[in-house]
Amino acid sequence: EDQLVESGGGLGPRGGSLRLSCVASGFRFSYYSMTWVRLAPGRGLEWLAFINTVSDVKYYAGSVQGRVAISRDNAKNSLYLQINSLRGEDSAVYYCARDNWMDVWGQGTTVTVSS
Amino acid sequence: DIQMTQSPSSLSASVGDRVTITCRASQDIGNDLAWFQHKLGRAPKRLIYTAFSLQGGVPSRFSGSRSGTEFTLTISSLQPEDFATYYCLHHSNYWWSFGQGTKVEIQ
Repeated sequence: EDQLVESGGGLGPRGGSLRLSCVASGFRFSYYSMTWVRLAPGRGLEWLAFINTVSDVKYYAGSVQGRVAISRDNAKNSLYLQINSLRGEDSAVYYCARDNWMDVWGQGTTVTVSS
Repeated sequence: DIQMTQSPSSLSASVGDRVTITCRASQDIGNDLAWFQHKLGRAPKRLIYTAFSLQGGVPSRFSGSRSGTEFTLTISSLQPEDFATYYCLHHSNYWWSFGQGTKVEIQ
């Protein structure tokens, strides 16, 4: 079964940083581009970032451009999202998804930004 | 950038009802649209892709249709497990845009 499992969420200080991870199993991770999406309280799903299979193409949503960085390690079947300069509006559940029209998602990891 | 406008934001319905949710694109997007179901605490689940194609394992009561720039998700006979929030998603080139979501609640 194709699976994604996120980790790395938790309580982060305002202005601080967090690094989220997503580990893939059940499929050839290196064959797929990947994305990060978040769901903030009271809001809908928001696409954040995209990375292609060899990491030479990356796109970001305007709301996080300059504060987040997506990366991957194909040898470790892992995807990452570095979030810097944490803001209150970054409090959300963060999901990784396989970019085949987002056909596979993880269960999410929760980030809470403290004041 | 292409904007997706989803409606309604919420609806109340009963088991057995026919439910329709609409997404309108700000310009022609062809069939580049998918529909997702999300229940809190769980991974979002893709229901429909490329406007019409039913994801494997998804019940046939779910269907997608298109008329110009307007896309519709139809649930032909609402079941108890269908109460959730639904989102459309458009993707083209370097942009992904979700609709605002529709919460389907028990009447």
